[in-house]
Amino acid sequence: EVQLLESGGGLVQPGGSLRLSCAVSGTIFSNYAMTWVRQAPGKGLEWVSHISNSGDKTNYVESVRGRFTISRDNFKNTLYLQMNSLRAEDTAIYYCVKGKSPNALDIWGQGTMVTVSS
Amino acid sequence: QTVVTQEPSFSVSPGGTVTLTCGLSSGSVSANYYPSWCQQTPGQAPRTLIYNTNTRSSGVPDRFSGSILGNKAALTITGAQADDESDYYCVLYMGGGIFVFGTGTKVTVL
Repeated sequence: EVQLLESGGGLVQPGGSLRLSCAVSGTIFSNYAMTWVRQAPGKGLEWVSHISNSGDKTNYVESVRGRFTISRDNFKNTLYLQMNSLRAEDTAIYYCVKGKSPNALDIWGQGTMVTVSS
Repeated sequence: QTVVTQEPSFSVSPGGTVTLTCGLSSGSVSANYYPSWCQQTPGQAPRTLIYNTNTRSSGVPDRFSGSILGNKAALTITGAQADDESDYYCVLYMGGGIFVFGTGTKVTVL
């Protein structure tokens, strides 16, 4: 069974940093692209960032470009999201999602909550 | 900015059929956008129901089906059950690893 387990969320002050991790098991991690999706309290889903299976291609939603960095370690089967210069509007549950194919999302993790507040 | 539009809410009777749609603020949704559908029940993580327009994910009941209707993607629930009461999100692939989520539809079964 494929499992994704996010960690690293918490309370941080505006301007602070956090690094989220997503440990993947039950599949050949290096075969699949990975995505981060977030959901602000009471709001809908928002695509945040994507990384190719090899890690050589990345992309970001405009609102986080230059502040967030997605990366992966295919030996540790782990996906990361480094979040810097955090803002109140980054407050959300962050989900990691395994790709089914380059153009489809597949398995979702349970999410980790990030709260940006003073 | 690309806006993916969905109906805010739908109500369906148990055993009934409902079709949710997914459109673009400018343009048509075609299979070239590889439309997917995700289901999210309150307090839970989303799960992918349908991908590539009409392919069901593993374990998804066949009462869920996807299609293109006119210029929109569509998700049809045939024979709705109480545990289908959820939020449903359309997802379009824009290329380059970029996905855009729809505004979501809240489905009530009563």
